[in-house]
Amino acid sequence: SQQGEEDPQALSIQEGENATMNCSYKTSINNLQWYRQNSGRGLVHLILIRSNEREKHSGRLRVTLDTSKKSSSLLITASRAADTASYFCATDEGGTYKYIFGTGTRLKVLA
Amino acid sequence: SAVISQKPSRDICQRGTSLTIQCQVDSQVTMMFWYRQQPGQSLTLIATANQGSEATYESGFVIDKFPISRPNLTFSTLTVSNMSPEDSSIYLCSVEVVSTEAFFGQGTRLTVV
Repeated sequence: SQQGEEDPQALSIQEGENATMNCSYKTSINNLQWYRQNSGRGLVHLILIRSNEREKHSGRLRVTLDTSKKSSSLLITASRAADTASYFCATDEGGTYKYIFGTGTRLKVLA
Repeated sequence: SAVISQKPSRDICQRGTSLTIQCQVDSQVTMMFWYRQQPGQSLTLIATANQGSEATYESGFVIDKFPISRPNLTFSTLTVSNMSPEDSSIYLCSVEVVSTEAFFGQGTRLTVV
């Protein structure tokens, strides 16, 4: 299995700005998920989007999915210093229960 | 949802020794997964653990190095054997509740010296 790619690898923004991260993957999927990880701790689930959905919102988070391009984006609006973390996308490989993680985006929000 | 408890949360081990990591789930699940996250890297799946059968390992991971037990539907262990500094990583267990998100433990941060 091959890892998905995320870009940018690192992103530094000012508090209040929006942050956009992109994820590309290689196989067909049932769903795609976004996770946050603070300082190498456990993963926190943010949002799940299914293959038949194109956009999903949760609070300040907006996720889009384009299955034709095998890509997804995560938008965090009105960012806060507490959003500083690494963000990973994960796809269920070929519709199995095995998740393939992207390379991650390190987001730094400056107060 | 599922709540996952992982033990230990961190450990510092001597090279050549082995460490067993425990993963306890608060509900019965069919599949449990073990991941490794090397420093500064993303997560890589080590193996899938099903109750009542041998674990299925991903390319690059072997049972002799990472033996896994799955004695029941709520518990699994991963052993990191004959450790070397290259095994220093965060190890995470995960379960998936059908048709919803995957749930992860807080991870075990292993340092091998």
